[in-house]
Amino acid sequence: EIVLTQSPGTLSLSPGERATLSCRASQSVSSSYLAWYQQKPGQAPRLLIYGASSRATGIPDRFSGSASGTDFTLTISRLEPEDFAVYYCQQYGSSSWTFGQGTKVEFK
Amino acid sequence: EVQLVQSGAEVKKPGESLRISCKGSGYSFTSYWISWVRQMPGKGLEWMGRIDPTDSYTNYSPSFQGHVTISADKSISTAYLQWSSLKASDTAMYYCARHSYTSSWSIDYWGQGTLVTVSS
Repeated sequence: EIVLTQSPGTLSLSPGERATLSCRASQSVSSSYLAWYQQKPGQAPRLLIYGASSRATGIPDRFSGSASGTDFTLTISRLEPEDFAVYYCQQYGSSSWTFGQGTKVEFK
Repeated sequence: EVQLVQSGAEVKKPGESLRISCKGSGYSFTSYWISWVRQMPGKGLEWMGRIDPTDSYTNYSPSFQGHVTISADKSISTAYLQWSSLKASDTAMYYCARHSYTSSWSIDYWGQGTLVTVSS
């Protein structure tokens, strides 16, 4: 089973700052099958990025994703107040999915 | 409008059985796989397993294989997650979720979640 390790566990930032979230896979993951989700308290997750770098419908362009080997990155260029949440990466392979443990982006 | 509407919160005792549901609407139910995802209190997301509503083919995470059963009734566009004998450790929020082939099998729609509480 592929393990996804997200870092840092918590990111303390202020509105307007840049957020860089990392997701590292324990073995090769097709970039086509790496997604990022945002979850706010009391809500279901929301798809942000699929295929490592494609924004889902309605997602602002301040969110971007990239890939390099087994390392994947979600970048929020300028944090808006509504972006403070928990972010999860997810991979699909061999008919199964796994999630990373999440990164919390909190107000500094 | 695509919707996944889950059944309401449940409070059960250890050893009891339970089946929760997820009804899809606004799309062709048999055209998209459905997964179930667990979120224990204060914890992250865990993929449990998925079903193809067309033929009810399922596969499970090794962590959940044998502990839960996923099924579907395509005639009423509903997927199910069931337990035969609940444990206190099954206390969690459970989400159903739709995978989209157009977004590389990621999850494009989620249900609102069903909170399951298991306590004596």
